[in-house]
Amino acid sequence: EPEVTQTPSHQVTQMGQEVILRCVPISNHLYFYWYRQILGQKVEFLVSFYNNEISEKSEIFDDQFSVERPDGSNFTLKIRSTKLEDSAMYFCASSYIGQGDQPQHFGDGTRLSIL
Amino acid sequence: RKEVEQDPGPFNVPEGATVAFNCTYSNSASQSFFWYRQDCRKEPKLLMSVYSSGNEDGRFTAQLNRASQYISLLIRDSKLSDSATYLCVVPSGNTPLVFGKGTRLSVIA
Repeated sequence: EPEVTQTPSHQVTQMGQEVILRCVPISNHLYFYWYRQILGQKVEFLVSFYNNEISEKSEIFDDQFSVERPDGSNFTLKIRSTKLEDSAMYFCASSYIGQGDQPQHFGDGTRLSIL
Repeated sequence: RKEVEQDPGPFNVPEGATVAFNCTYSNSASQSFFWYRQDCRKEPKLLMSVYSSGNEDGRFTAQLNRASQYISLLIRDSKLSDSATYLCVVPSGNTPLVFGKGTRLSVIA
């Protein structure tokens, strides 16, 4: 079964540094998403991406964050000037269709630890 | 009212038991719903999609009550491997998924 893959599995970074989290969505999927989950809390939507542009974003996704699809396979989340509160699991997801009634398939996440 | 609200849990049940989780949602326009399961420090994995009044898949049954904006998940003949957190998920708008906090289930031998 096709999978969403994420790298790295764990990223440790000093506060103030920039990090890039990488995702390879399922190959025939057209819609891509980033979510985050702070330890002990619920999964929260960050951003959705379609046709090389952001289609929706949450209040969490401020100017510190950016997404990019630099080539035909990777989908990246960049966090500039990281803060302690950015420590969380970051999940990438993808779906073939971007309608709400289509389930999204999640990667196994990147654990981001800001020191 | 919170967007998606679930039973607080944890539910501790013996193997073979039947257990039910409840979920209420606030967006009356939602047409589809999902149950995901999440193991400790792992990604959410789709368990069931619910588009009409309900859905059944083996030991798992989901029911939807649109009038009460209520979804339930029933697990019959619980197994040790069912121990996980069960997430009620409701789409909001076109694409973002809104997750409940989840209900933790522990199946005990």
